Amino acid sequence: KAGVTQTPRYLIKTRGQQVTLSCSPISGHRSVSWYQQTPGQGLQFLFEYFSETQRNKGNFPGRFSGRQFSNSRSEMNVSTLELGDSALYLCASSLGGVQTGDEQFFGPGTRLTVL
Amino acid sequence: AQSVTQLGSHVSVSEGALVLLRCNYSSSVPPYLFWYVQYPNQGLQLLLKYTSAATLVKGINGFEAEFKKSETSFHLTKPSAHMSDAAEYFCAVIRNGGNQFYFGTGTSLTVIP
Repeated sequence: KAGVTQTPRYLIKTRGQQVTLSCSPISGHRSVSWYQQTPGQGLQFLFEYFSETQRNKGNFPGRFSGRQFSNSRSEMNVSTLELGDSALYLCASSLGGVQTGDEQFFGPGTRLTVL
Repeated sequence: AQSVTQLGSHVSVSEGALVLLRCNYSSSVPPYLFWYVQYPNQGLQLLLKYTSAATLVKGINGFEAEFKKSETSFHLTKPSAHMSDAAEYFCAVIRNGGNQFYFGTGTSLTVIP
């Protein structure tokens, strides 16, 4: 079956702009989690959505938000972009979600560059 | 808070040599421990997962990890390194009653021909 897809793969924005990233999970998976990966901070959890509800949230400012649709596809939005938001954004899907320990399947990521 | 520590941000081994990547977890025994691998320009792929069913966990591509409570460790090993093993490896944990992954800082593995 098809894996997790993320669009776009690469994105260049300028400071102050906003951006929306998209993630399509594996068919049947109800949980989508988002992570930010940077050389300095490593992999950090942003939030998890399960059946259209945000279930968990990491320690990120309110500029980072997300949502999940009825077909489990998820979007992540970052408003008022800062240079430090430049990162690889990964999404992962799973059947039961993080707390069940189910395997998370990761997408290839979206590389966001903020100039 | 439950976390993991990966010792050695860079490890180099010769092709055919033993691969040992170190991971230690903090405080209480976590319900789940994972090793993930990331190849360049790709997402993460699960290598193996510890769920308390067995202390020696076998994963894909010949990797295995042993959970040692006395040492609070979950080191990843492979008897014979292959060139295709060159990648970034991440140890991760879900803490007791937890609801998010905590990843280690990663270990970059280089395989020397």
